Amino acid sequence: AQSVTQLDSQVPVFEEAPVELRCNYSSSVSVYLFWYVQYPNQGLQLLLKYLSGSTLVKGINGFEAEFNKSQTSFHLRKPSVHISDTAEYFCAVSGSGSARQLTFGSGTQLTVLP
Amino acid sequence: KAGVTQTPRYLIKTRGQQVTLSCSPISGHRSVSWYQQTPGQGLQFLFEYFSETQRNKGNFPGRFSGRQFSNSRSEMNVSTLELGDSALYLCASSSDRVYTFGSGTRLTVV
Repeated sequence: AQSVTQLDSQVPVFEEAPVELRCNYSSSVSVYLFWYVQYPNQGLQLLLKYLSGSTLVKGINGFEAEFNKSQTSFHLRKPSVHISDTAEYFCAVSGSGSARQLTFGSGTQLTVLP
Repeated sequence: KAGVTQTPRYLIKTRGQQVTLSCSPISGHRSVSWYQQTPGQGLQFLFEYFSETQRNKGNFPGRFSGRQFSNSRSEMNVSTLELGDSALYLCASSSDRVYTFGSGTRLTVV
């Protein structure tokens, strides 16, 4: 079985400061990792994904994440946040076969303060 | 390229009724998945369809069912609605392991 732990439920940060949202996963098979963002009353938008290859993944809106297999982590980072980055962020893992579906973490609410 | 379209956006139903939600995937995508999002349980996988066949199923009661048509459009049905079924229902279509979500259907059961 696969699972995802997002270590912080809420992260307040001042505008133009850097931010890191933490994600750890558990899986017995090869994994594919994702970060999604959700704005109020909307669906999920894909920020970035790790399928294979380079462990440093760059996504949209200046976000990046690093896949660390030994620490089973996939933390999301942005060097300078904007007010518009205020949203809920979800880390997700998928596997193969019967574990193909996305398993999500509980989410991190990022609030960017002026 | 059009995205994933879910209809309707909002629904209000009474306990005991049934409801059908619709999802049109991205053109060319043959896989459609459904997820339920609630404040208490978060995002939970309901089921996945691929080429009209249910390929995977989450841990939900039999009141939750789905189907996929030959044009890849999918519907999910919830029978005998309970208050706890109030949620945002999200549909995702996928290709090459990348899932694209629709805006969701907000179901309120009263």
